[in-house]
Amino acid sequence: DVKVTQSSRYLVKRTGEKVFLECVQDMDHENMFWYRQDPGLGLRLIYFSYDVKMKEKGDIPEGYSVSREKKERFSLILESASTNQTSMYLCASSFEQGAGTDTQYFGPGTRLTVL
Amino acid sequence: GQNIDQPTEMTATEGAIVQINCTYQTSGFNGLFWYQQHAGEAPTFLSYNVLDGLEEKGRFSSFLSRSKGYSYLLLKELQMKDSASYLCAVRDLGGSYIPTFGRGTSLIVHP
Repeated sequence: DVKVTQSSRYLVKRTGEKVFLECVQDMDHENMFWYRQDPGLGLRLIYFSYDVKMKEKGDIPEGYSVSREKKERFSLILESASTNQTSMYLCASSFEQGAGTDTQYFGPGTRLTVL
Repeated sequence: GQNIDQPTEMTATEGAIVQINCTYQTSGFNGLFWYQQHAGEAPTFLSYNVLDGLEEKGRFSSFLSRSKGYSYLLLKELQMKDSASYLCAVRDLGGSYIPTFGRGTSLIVHP
């Protein structure tokens, strides 16, 4: 079974802090994704990566950056956390972009609260 | 991009059948996914449709009509554990090939 793990289930940070959210997948997937999920807004794509050291902006990249130094690990960085970044953050991975079912496998999520 | 619409919330009775609709607009359709997400948990894959018609998987079926920009997820013999959010996601031919998610339908199954 594919396993996607995220470093924390719950995180509380203060405004202005730098925040790192880590995601690791164990199935040698090419693609990795970061989403945020908010009530009434659904899943929104922040950034994705289709290869090591490659990254592409999603629909809402402002205030975020990412890093993919190794194939299995994809990090989301909030350079200076703000209260409007309080959300559930979900990481996902998939084998091959745009191919057939290309199912996305999701991690358990990190609920981030910025005070 | 896609414009994906699904009902916000539905309720149904244990043992009944429920149909969750999803309509979309896209410039180049390349597949539709349904995911299930229980409260506080990760979304998990349910089904994938790329051709018109019905795909059946046990108690769950998914239907697609590309000409109408329409899909539904059919859940039969409802169980309490089916209470969850159901997410419709559409993949477009253009751009990044990454599916765009609808806002999800929260299904409440009551006894």
